[in-house]
Amino acid sequence: AQKVTQAQTEISVVEKEDVTLDCVYETRDTTYYLFWYKQPPSGELVFLIRRNSFDEQNEISGRYSWNFQKSTSSFNFTITASQVVDSAVYFCALSSNTGKLIFGQGTTLQVKP
Amino acid sequence: DAGVIQSPRHEVTEMGQEVTLRCKPISGHDYLFWYRQTMMRGLELLIYFNNNVPIDDSGMPEDRFSAKMPNASFSTLKIQPSEPRDSAVYFCASNFRGALGYTFGSGTRLTVV
Repeated sequence: AQKVTQAQTEISVVEKEDVTLDCVYETRDTTYYLFWYKQPPSGELVFLIRRNSFDEQNEISGRYSWNFQKSTSSFNFTITASQVVDSAVYFCALSSNTGKLIFGQGTTLQVKP
Repeated sequence: DAGVIQSPRHEVTEMGQEVTLRCKPISGHDYLFWYRQTMMRGLELLIYFNNNVPIDDSGMPEDRFSAKMPNASFSTLKIQPSEPRDSAVYFCASNFRGALGYTFGSGTRLTVV
């Protein structure tokens, strides 16, 4: 069975702090994909990144970076120099070759000015 | 492309009434997903289709819920009869195998009173 765990329910930081959102996954598939989505207060789900199971390179996009480690089944997300606009719920998700996409419970990030 | 289109955006109905939610996926996408989001249960996958065929409906909570995809450009999720505990935001998403990310609609906020 596939499972995604986001142990952090809520995180609160002050603007300009760095913050890391944790994601741990379980799957028996050898080929799979990991995702992060952002859900701002307006409610839509915004795609941030996808990584496949064969690509463990870390990725950086502006203030966002992702650390994928198969050895620990983790796909963590770091926001550097957080801003108030980063306040949102962040979801980690997992899919396999079946196409089925499952989500973690989400982490609510509050960035205070 | 207009993205995944869901209608209505908001629906308020009385307990016992039939509710139909609609989704138009992105043209060319061969997967379609229905999710339900609540505070208690997070983002739950209800059912998904591949090439208009239901693949996995194990997330459909009860027989009161049914989903159809009569063609590649339209899907419905029906609740009959509706109950207050069905109140949630229902998201539709579509994807093309191999595409970077799953695209979500804006959601339908359902309130059953």
